[in-house]
Amino acid sequence: DAKTTQPTSMDCAEGRAANLPCNHSTISGNEYVYWYRQIHSQGPQYIIHGLKNNETNEMASLIITEDRKSSTLILPHATLRDTAVYYCIVRVPSGTYKYIFGTGTRLKVLA
Amino acid sequence: NAGVTQTPKFQVLKTGQSMTLQCAQDMNHEYMSWYRQDPGMGLRLIHYSVGAGITDQGEVPNGYNVSRSTTEDFPLRLLSAAPSQTSVYFCASSPQGGNTEAFFGQGTRLTVV
Repeated sequence: DAKTTQPTSMDCAEGRAANLPCNHSTISGNEYVYWYRQIHSQGPQYIIHGLKNNETNEMASLIITEDRKSSTLILPHATLRDTAVYYCIVRVPSGTYKYIFGTGTRLKVLA
Repeated sequence: NAGVTQTPKFQVLKTGQSMTLQCAQDMNHEYMSWYRQDPGMGLRLIHYSVGAGITDQGEVPNGYNVSRSTTEDFPLRLLSAAPSQTSVYFCASSPQGGNTEAFFGQGTRLTVV
């Protein structure tokens, strides 16, 4: 599975869009990009995933560059409850079904 | 649905004691796995199972055993607890097919003294 690089921490004003970047320059053609978040010390929560097309759901949008070497998770209107550690993971969705978690980005939403 | 349920939520053990962390899911998922999370770090895979009767090792399996006798349950056994096993343990499950999300339990915080 490819490795990812994320900023250690970010701040975002409440109500503004939070844009969380992720570099995955060694991603291979069959690897998907997944995003999870962990609020306090709770279990990780799935947010979104995609292969090469941009994706949107009720929680967030995922923008993947054309060369697939980086992506951005967008929380369109951040709230205080979005304060969490966000993990970007790339993986092949088969076989062991293993996730390799890095240290993620600690997002703090400010009132 | 309850999702993924882990018990206990907190546990303190003495060095050398054994115990079993319980994990149960009610979503009929084929895949289940155990992770540990140490302070300030991401999750690391301990063991996983792709179905009843099938288990395999992850990144950090030493000191832990698992079995999968039913689809619903995937217990994690600590054979002889050590202070290095102080951590938060998460169980996860996901349906067969792979290109789906994983569901995580709320964790078991284990302290070994």
